[in-house]
Amino acid sequence: AQKITQTQPGMFVQEKEAVTLDCTYDTSDQSYGLFWYKQPSSGEMIFLIYQGSYDEQNATEGRYSLNFQKARKSANLVISASQLGDSAMYFCAMREAYSGGGADGLTFGKGTHLIIQP
Amino acid sequence: NAGVTQTPKFRVLKTGQSMTLLCAQDMNHEYMYWYRQDPGMGLRLIHYSVGEGTTAKGEVPDGYNVSRLKKQNFLLGLESAAPSQTSVYFCASSPGLYTEAFFGQGTRLTVV
Repeated sequence: AQKITQTQPGMFVQEKEAVTLDCTYDTSDQSYGLFWYKQPSSGEMIFLIYQGSYDEQNATEGRYSLNFQKARKSANLVISASQLGDSAMYFCAMREAYSGGGADGLTFGKGTHLIIQP
Repeated sequence: NAGVTQTPKFRVLKTGQSMTLLCAQDMNHEYMYWYRQDPGMGLRLIHYSVGEGTTAKGEVPDGYNVSRLKKQNFLLGLESAAPSQTSVYFCASSPGLYTEAFFGQGTRLTVV
């Protein structure tokens, strides 16, 4: 089973509208972290926002906010007032608790290709 | 501050050739990672390291080896390249488990 599921392969949104990118995750750990990254067409990976499993408030970073619903295992990214420069691939990722003496890296979803239209 | 630097940025290999990808970070991070990115697959973890002299297997380690002789460097080796290893390779580092991972700019590798 996939640990990170992003159900929207692609999205078209009008400029200045708000955007919600869906992400659900699967873990049995109590301690974990959730991340969102942006990958523009130039290819670099840009960190956007982080939410810890014990954080009671939803994370916010400028125009980005994370709608964290722990019981539903959902960590949707919300972009307010979208801009043309927001067009990119967006990846949701998770790090689970330290286990077995090792520390795996981030587990990524397959991404959502967001296109902002003028 | 250079962050995470990958060398080379592009490479074409013939099947059976070997090569090493170099990742260097100047942020004194303990954790380093190698990922590959294929269309429609997201990023998948190849190998990682939790400190100098340590390495461990990730999700897709077959056909790759790694070494971390110095804290700032993490090398990814392909001993006998195969067309299935055509991909974009990303190196990343992080100071801790639940902290942002900083990525390099990627290496586009084509095996013909």
